[in-house]
Amino acid sequence: GENVEQHPSTLSVQEGDSAVIKCTYSDSASNYFPWYKQELGKRPQLIIDIRSNVGEKKDQRIAVTLNKTAKHFSLHITETQPEDSAVYFCAASKQAGGSYIPTFGRGTSLIVHP
Amino acid sequence: EADIYQTPRYLVIGTGKKITLECSQTMGHDKMYWYQQDPGMELHLIHYSYGVNSTEKGDLSSESTVSRIRTEHFPLTLESARPSHTSQYLCASSELSGYTFGSGTRLTVV
Repeated sequence: GENVEQHPSTLSVQEGDSAVIKCTYSDSASNYFPWYKQELGKRPQLIIDIRSNVGEKKDQRIAVTLNKTAKHFSLHITETQPEDSAVYFCAASKQAGGSYIPTFGRGTSLIVHP
Repeated sequence: EADIYQTPRYLVIGTGKKITLECSQTMGHDKMYWYQQDPGMELHLIHYSYGVNSTEKGDLSSESTVSRIRTEHFPLTLESARPSHTSQYLCASSELSGYTFGSGTRLTVV
């Protein structure tokens, strides 16, 4: 089955710095890679996703990159703000013909210091 | 507004009691899931369903059962609660893209 490794487990940055969270996956058939943000005491929320036919996707201050050859994908947050502090989860799954069940990473706790 | 709803939000219950955690969605999604998560920690898949009358066990054996009689409703039942069941339970639904999660039920078994 799929195995997703996520690093780092904790990331501490100063407000305004950039933050990068990296995930690797093992199943080359995985083709959908979402990222979730979970603030303290709240539900995880989908913030950005990327499919295997795209190498990069941006949405304002967040971006995701995908390297299919190396089987890794990354979340990039620029100009971090205190409200970016949360736990971030990556996931990998096979859509359309696959099981649809995502395999989640273990999460990265991002702390943005004002 | 289309969303996914879980009740109760918090529950404290004695050991040995039978409990049902409710999950309903108005998204029109066929696929629904239950996850167990200690706060801010890994998400562990307990059960999932691809549609009415479809249920499957996930990776985590939690001594629970689910049913899917209606598309919008996916309740989780613990026949005999134990202190080891103390955790947060998240319900989710999806179609072709990412999950929409419910707000969760925080369960404490004393």
